[in-house]
Amino acid sequence: DQQVKQNSPSLSVQEGRISILNCDYTNSMFDYFLWYKKYPAEGPTFLISISSIKDKNEDGRFTVFLNKSAKHLSLHIVPSQPGDSAVYFCAASANNAGNMLTFGGGTRLMVKP
Amino acid sequence: ETGVTQSPTHLIKTRGQQVTLRCSSQSGHNTVSWYQQALGQGPQFIFQYYREEENGRGNFPPRFSGLQFPNYSSELNVNALELDDSALYLCASSLETGLNNEQFFGPGTRLTVL
Repeated sequence: DQQVKQNSPSLSVQEGRISILNCDYTNSMFDYFLWYKKYPAEGPTFLISISSIKDKNEDGRFTVFLNKSAKHLSLHIVPSQPGDSAVYFCAASANNAGNMLTFGGGTRLMVKP
Repeated sequence: ETGVTQSPTHLIKTRGQQVTLRCSSQSGHNTVSWYQQALGQGPQFIFQYYREEENGRGNFPPRFSGLQFPNYSSELNVNALELDDSALYLCASSLETGLNNEQFFGPGTRLTVL
């Protein structure tokens, strides 16, 4: 049973436009959520996170929104750049599990020049 | 500051064999986690070691085992390899085990089981 799901395997966006990546979760114990970016032949790198006590967190071009009642989070990238092309993973952790992460299946983002 | 490194980069084994994968944590990090990423899927948590003790385990059979050494480098051992063990194995280190402690991932070891 997948506890973290990313239902869109891929997303294509024009440079300068907004990219919206979505993630759903089922485990009510999750209270910390993260987004990672992965380039080929590299390990995932941390992008942005959000605690369950917040509904929004911004870092430059990246904003994560959390809707706890819907068990849904999204990552917005504005404006999108060709260098943002990568696979994005949503991950979650429960307070009683420290920083052990449950990942979604990933969304491949392609930003076209 | 040296990042997380893993060796080897690639490995080919046959079914039934045993394999050892190695990870060198980022300097000062006492926690290491291992993940398995099958093709087209997200990383799946195998286990975590904190100060040389297993600190948590995912849904993997006992033939997946690990070690963390006093210098905080670590190993992942897999016995009796199966075809489904073919995957990218990622290790990640962090300063501590707490919720907000960022994990830094290595580039992974790609294991192919024939």
